[in-house]
Amino acid sequence: EIVLTQSPATLSLSPGERATLSCRASQSITKYLAWYQQKPGQAPRLLIYDVSNRATGIPARFSGSGSGTAFTLTISSLQPEDFAVYYCQQRSNWPPLFTFGPGTRVEIK
Amino acid sequence: EGQLVESGGGLVKPGGSRRLSCAASGFTLSSYSMTWVRQAPGKGLEWVSFISMSSDYIYYADSVKGRFTISRDNAKNSLYLQMNSLRAEDTAVYYCARVLVFYRLDSWGQGTLVTVSS
Repeated sequence: EIVLTQSPATLSLSPGERATLSCRASQSITKYLAWYQQKPGQAPRLLIYDVSNRATGIPARFSGSGSGTAFTLTISSLQPEDFAVYYCQQRSNWPPLFTFGPGTRVEIK
Repeated sequence: EGQLVESGGGLVKPGGSRRLSCAASGFTLSSYSMTWVRQAPGKGLEWVSFISMSSDYIYYADSVKGRFTISRDNAKNSLYLQMNSLRAEDTAVYYCARVLVFYRLDSWGQGTLVTVSS
């Protein structure tokens, strides 16, 4: 079973700064790696899929990269609405399980 | 884009049962695989169960296997989660989500809270 680890647990930054979030897999995974944003009291929202593709309506300041076991979500210039929790997620072929990382909280410094 | 609305949450005693429903609108449910994902209070996201378009493939997280049953009624555009033998650790907001291209969850409901407590 693939385990996803995210770091840091919390990222304290100011609006306008660059945010770099890490997601590491316990074994090499395919391109099926996604990122979600969740704000308090809301459902998660798909941001990035297939490592680097932005979902519909997602601003260009969000980008994804990586391969193998190391993946990154970058927010180029934090906007006030970007302070939230971010989760990475993958699905393995076998066992056919969906896995989420523990999340990274991006908070206002 | 479509909308998902969960219902059926509430307070249930340990060992009890609850059935959650997820109503889809704005898209044809039969064209998509679906999942349930839960989130315990103050915790992260945990995948619970998956069902393919025609119910041919069904998978569960180990934490709920043998206690929860996922099902769907495509004619009614609805997804279900039957939860039996509930435990305190099943307390969570339960979300239904649409699966797009193998794994990505592109549409989520607002969630329904299930609290297991005596």
